[in-house]
This record gives sequence, structure tokens and C-alpha cells, in this order.
Amino acid sequence: DTEVTQTPKHLVMGMTNKKSLKCEQHMGHRAMYWYKQKAKKPPELMFVYSYEKLSINESVPSRFSPECPNSSLLNLHLHALQPEDSALYLCASSPRVGTNSNQPQHFGDGTRLSIL
Amino acid sequence: AQTVTQSQPEMSVQEAETVTLSCTYDTSENNYYLFWYKQPPSRQMILVIRQEAYKQQNATENRFSVNFQKAAKSFSLKISDSQLGDTAMYFCAFMKSTPGTYKYIFGTGTRLKVLA
Repeated sequence: DTEVTQTPKHLVMGMTNKKSLKCEQHMGHRAMYWYKQKAKKPPELMFVYSYEKLSINESVPSRFSPECPNSSLLNLHLHALQPEDSALYLCASSPRVGTNSNQPQHFGDGTRLSIL
Repeated sequence: AQTVTQSQPEMSVQEAETVTLSCTYDTSENNYYLFWYKQPPSRQMILVIRQEAYKQQNATENRFSVNFQKAAKSFSLKISDSQLGDTAMYFCAFMKSTPGTYKYIFGTGTRLKVLA
């Protein structure tokens, strides 16, 4: 059983649609992450939230808009996506983000996103 | 900039045999953390083992162990007594966190197949 839950598992959307990906964890973790993973490629970090505040944005286009409404939830709002944005979007959490923190990340199953 | 290289795109091993997956990385940092993650087909990514760079002793978790050579910037994973359930994509990852910056970089992965 995964401790990080992502919904939906699959999403197909047009380039003009607006949709949101959701991520939830109840492990008391205060750091949450979004990754993008293309087929047969490693995950690439997109955003890092620490104590519900955006701390890292890895130069992600503005058509991806993250939101952390509380310590358990992380959303990724999507708008005007391009076909190249089709990928597996992974959410992860860890106890914290901190100097020399070694906590591993706990990953969700991901949302497989297809842009038509 | 940090980079992580896994030079073996695919490997196979007979059940009950031992296999070693290689990982090298490039960094100018002295303190950092290294991880091996396993991603089975269509399933979530899970942590296999982790190593703190300041520790000389190699990490071990049951059938999984690492050979960490800091000077050579090498971090290989040894899987002993391979099992069919070990079939997965294996990612090596580098992590370094300082105030205001966060790097969690994955290698390109090694697809391991355990043969019956």
C-alpha cells in the first residue's frame, strides 16, 4: 500500500483544458515534491514545498501551477499544456527539507497524463 | 553541476545469483547523500538503500549492499540471492540540500530482469 496517494491515476486532456492533479500524504511529512517522468527516463524535479511554502521551482513553465493548501495536500494545476507535457507525474514526500537532511522520499504511484 | 551516470541501461541475472549495478556521479560537494530506488513496472518507486557521504562504512539492507567509493565518486549496488521480485528499473540518486537550494538528481536507470 502506498502512503502517498495520487489522483487521478490516468488523465487525458486537450490543450485548452484546465485540470488538477492531487497528492495526499498522512505521514506528517512537511516536505512535498512534484516530479515529471517521461517514458524510460529518470524523474525530473519540478517543485519543492517545505512547510507548505514553495521553496524550489526548477524553472517550470507557468502552465504548471503548484499549490499546497495544507500540510497533507499538494496540487498541481494544469492549463494550456502542450503534447510534450505528456508524462508520468510523480508526487513525493519526506519528513522535511533541511540542511544535510538525508531522508528518502516516499513516492506515490503517479498520474499518467496524456495531452491530445 | 551535479550529474549521475548509470552506464548499464539493461542487465539480467539468474535467480539466486548476485548482480552489481553501477553508478557514478560528479560533484564538488563534500557532504551529500546517495540513494538507490527501485521502480517495478507500473508500480511506485521505493527506496532500496541510502548512504551518507560522510560515512565510510558501506550501507547494507538485507540482500542489498553498496560499494561506496567517495574518491572515485562511485556508488554501486549489489543484489545478492536475486529474486524474481527484484525485476525493476533501478535508479541511483544524489541529494544535496542547503538553505535556498535543493538538488535531487536521478541517474538514467538500469533495467534489471531476474530470470527464472
